[in-house]
Amino acid sequence: SQTIHQWPATLVQPVGSPLSLECTVEGTSNPNLYWYRQAAGRGLQLLFYSVGIGQISSEVPQNLSASRPQDRQFILSSKKLLLSDSGFYLCAWSEHVYEQYFGPGTRLTVT
Amino acid sequence: GENVEQHPSTLSVQEGDSAVIKCTYSDSASNYFPWYKQELGKRPQLIIDIRSNVGEKKDQRIAVTLNKTAKHFSLHITETQPEDSAVYFCAARASRLGNEKLTFGTGTRLTIIP
Repeated sequence: SQTIHQWPATLVQPVGSPLSLECTVEGTSNPNLYWYRQAAGRGLQLLFYSVGIGQISSEVPQNLSASRPQDRQFILSSKKLLLSDSGFYLCAWSEHVYEQYFGPGTRLTVT
Repeated sequence: GENVEQHPSTLSVQEGDSAVIKCTYSDSASNYFPWYKQELGKRPQLIIDIRSNVGEKKDQRIAVTLNKTAKHFSLHITETQPEDSAVYFCAARASRLGNEKLTFGTGTRLTIIP
C-alpha cells in the first residue's frame, strides 16, 4: 500500500531564515505531487504541483519554490521566510486523475 | 478556470439529526467530486467521492449526490455523532489534458451538539 511522509512535523523559524520541507511517497511510481498551505482556520491553498521529475507548476507567486529531484520526493523551499509564511503545509499525492491523499503535514511558525 | 463555492461555512446540528453541505462548480467539464474531512490539527481525509457517471453514492451514514445539469453536489450525513464534528471540504476536477489539480471549496465547519 501507499504511504506518504512529511518532515519535520513542526518547525519554528525566525523571519529571514531559509526553509526546506520534504515529502516522500512510498508504494507507487510516477505519482502527481502537490504542496498546499493552510493558514490557521482557513482553506487549502495550492502552492505547487508536479506531474514528473523536474516538472513543477506554480499556482501562486510568492517567495517559495519547489523541486522534485526524484520520482517520489517533493521539496518545498524558501530562501528567506516571511511572517506570512506561517501555516500548515500539506503534501499530497495522486496516482491518476482521481483520488488524492494528503500527508500528515508540517506546522510552520515564523517568529 | 474552475470555481467551487461551498455553503454553509458553519453548521451546527443536534446529535442524531442529519447534516447537508452543498457545493456548486463552474466548469461543465468537471467529472470528479471528492469530499474531505479534516479534524482539528490533522490532515484532510478523503471520505467519499463521486464521478460524473453516477448521481448518488452512499457509504454507511454518508452520501453524496450530484446534479450535473445544475452543476452542484452535496454531502449528506445521517444520524450524526460527535465524531462527525470537523471541517469538511468539497472539491472538483475537470478531466482535461494538463489539468492535474483539484479545486477546493472554502470549507464547512460542522459542529455536532450532544
